[in-house]
Amino acid sequence: DTAVSQTPKYLVTQMGNDKSIKCEQNLGHDTMYWYKQDSKKFLKIMFSYNNKELIINETVPNRFSPKSPDKAHLNLHINSLELGDSAVYFCASSLRVERRQGAYEQYFGPGTRLTVT
Amino acid sequence: RKEVEQDPGPFNVPEGATVAFNCTYSNSASQSFFWYRQDCRKEPKLLMSVYSSGNEDGRFTAQLNRASQYISLLIRDSKLSDSATYLCVVNLAYGGATNKLIFGTGTLLAVQP
Repeated sequence: DTAVSQTPKYLVTQMGNDKSIKCEQNLGHDTMYWYKQDSKKFLKIMFSYNNKELIINETVPNRFSPKSPDKAHLNLHINSLELGDSAVYFCASSLRVERRQGAYEQYFGPGTRLTVT
Repeated sequence: RKEVEQDPGPFNVPEGATVAFNCTYSNSASQSFFWYRQDCRKEPKLLMSVYSSGNEDGRFTAQLNRASQYISLLIRDSKLSDSATYLCVVNLAYGGATNKLIFGTGTLLAVQP
């Protein structure tokens, strides 16, 4: 069974279009995240939601709008796509490691490879 | 200065070798630490958490030095299947049930037959 799933896996689109990426986790976690991994392989957090509430919003253009209909889902909508948006977008969810209070482990989805032409 | 710094490699080692990766972090408020592994065109996967006392999982040993803000990963008896990028990851807690992971740029390991 897939723990964190994303759709689509690949997305090729033209500049100016609007697109969405969906993420679902069946781990029962309360917190979900979106990360962007650029061409230099640097992985950076974009957003974090805890139980449908936005917690982290990292200097991301407002063309990117996350939406969490419930704690098992976190979608990412991108308006007016630009060439620089081309990257791999990873969804993740977190598990609290009970024996180490404050230590959290995150589990990642397979990624969505977005190419803007 | 980057928040989490790693030697990008690549580290090319023969099978059976022992290899060590180092990582430094800049934020002394960092609360927890991890090593993730990422295979080519795949998602990062948790390899192990790093605890203050150091911890071992089979051929893998992780160490943390909070005073020096330094984390290490030792891989003994390298296998071909260990070839991947190893990501040093630091957690900045936001409180409550959420946290922010800061990723290093990764160290590429290539184990040669």
